[in-house]
Amino acid sequence: GENVEQHPSTLSVQEGDSAVIKCTYSDSASNYFPWYKQELGKGPQLIIDIRSNVGEKKDQRIAVTLNKTAKHFSLHITETQPEDSAVYFCAGNTGGFKTIFGAGTRLFVKA
Amino acid sequence: EPEVTQTPSHQVTQMGQEVILRCVPISNHLYFYWYRQILGQKVEFLVSFYNNEISEKSEIFDDQFSVERPDGSNFTLKIRSTKLEDSAMYFCASSEGHLIGGQPQHFGDGTRLSIL
Repeated sequence: GENVEQHPSTLSVQEGDSAVIKCTYSDSASNYFPWYKQELGKGPQLIIDIRSNVGEKKDQRIAVTLNKTAKHFSLHITETQPEDSAVYFCAGNTGGFKTIFGAGTRLFVKA
Repeated sequence: EPEVTQTPSHQVTQMGQEVILRCVPISNHLYFYWYRQILGQKVEFLVSFYNNEISEKSEIFDDQFSVERPDGSNFTLKIRSTKLEDSAMYFCASSEGHLIGGQPQHFGDGTRLSIL
């Protein structure tokens, strides 16, 4: 079945710097890749997603890139702010109902 | 903005007891999901539900688990005889539809289940 690996597990950046989180997936049939942000005591919140027919997608300070050949995708956050501090999860879906999550990255943005 | 609501926020239960976790999905959504997150670990898929039946389930979702949509608004997860290892945060999610290739899922804030 699908497996999604995510790294780093912890990332600390200075406010205003960029943050990059990387994920790899195992099933070449995966074709939908959402990213979730989870704040303390809250459920995962979808922040951006990308489908396999697209190589890059941007939404303001957030962008996601997908390399289907290498089976990896990345989240890029530019101009980080303290409120970006949270746990970020990547995930993969093969078109069925099951979404497989990565292990998460705890992002600290230092003011 | 519409949201998924879950009750209770925290449930404490004795081992071996039955527990029911409740969710109210977003009203026009048709697909419903349960996930589990053991403390400090990844979010794990349990089950998906559509048109009053299970559409997919994981190996975690064994005979001790069941789901139900008892009326037009609630979606429940029942654990028949709880074990210590069932202690986790349980998230309900819903999506508007199901496209080939996945559909954005909206999550509730979870129920923390503690088994004593």
